Amino acid sequence: DAGVTQSPTHLIKTRGQHVTLRCSPISGHKSVSWYQQVLGQGPQFIFQYYEKEERGRGNFPDRFSARQFPNYSSELNVNALLLGDSALYLCASSSSSGSGSYEQYFGPGTRLTVT
Amino acid sequence: AQKVTQAQTEISVVEKEDVTLDCVYETRDTTYYLFWYKQPPSGELVFLIRRNSFDEQNEISGRYSWNFQKSTSSFNFTITASQVVDSAVYFCALSEEYDTGRRALTFGSGTRLQVQP
Repeated sequence: DAGVTQSPTHLIKTRGQHVTLRCSPISGHKSVSWYQQVLGQGPQFIFQYYEKEERGRGNFPDRFSARQFPNYSSELNVNALLLGDSALYLCASSSSSGSGSYEQYFGPGTRLTVT
Repeated sequence: AQKVTQAQTEISVVEKEDVTLDCVYETRDTTYYLFWYKQPPSGELVFLIRRNSFDEQNEISGRYSWNFQKSTSSFNFTITASQVVDSAVYFCALSEEYDTGRRALTFGSGTRLQVQP
């Protein structure tokens, strides 16, 4: 079975531009989460979507937005890019359907470089 | 607020040595979940283990073992007889349970393990 897939693999953008990152979860998984990992640090939570609804948002500015589609794939959008947005963006999927424990499975990430 | 601390920034060992990676967490919840992930140079986070807060049994999986102690808020990870392929960054993470269904992992800053041949 295919794991979590993300596209593109690498991306170079200029300050002020916007970017769209894409994620397809593991088949059967309805929850997608996005994380930002700056070089040398642990991943930081950005968003979680479940059944197309936002279930959680981390401490990120409104320049960051996301959505989930009926097929459970997801997009992360970042507007007005700053140099500090350069990072590895990780998507994770899980089968979480409410309370209880779960595991999140991560994709290979999109490496975004802002110049 | 929840917090995960991995005080060891980098550890270097020689192959076949045992190595323990430390993880200390803070949470006000009584129900929470702890995780370990491995991040090889390729960048993808690989799930290793999940532990529930109400299950303090230690676990062993091959050369890997985990020691969970609620009394000290620690969830340490030991690799026995390390191998070069174990070289990676290891992250400890914590998740609390919310009524809204929100699931977010709080990660530590990671420990880089280098296993020398």
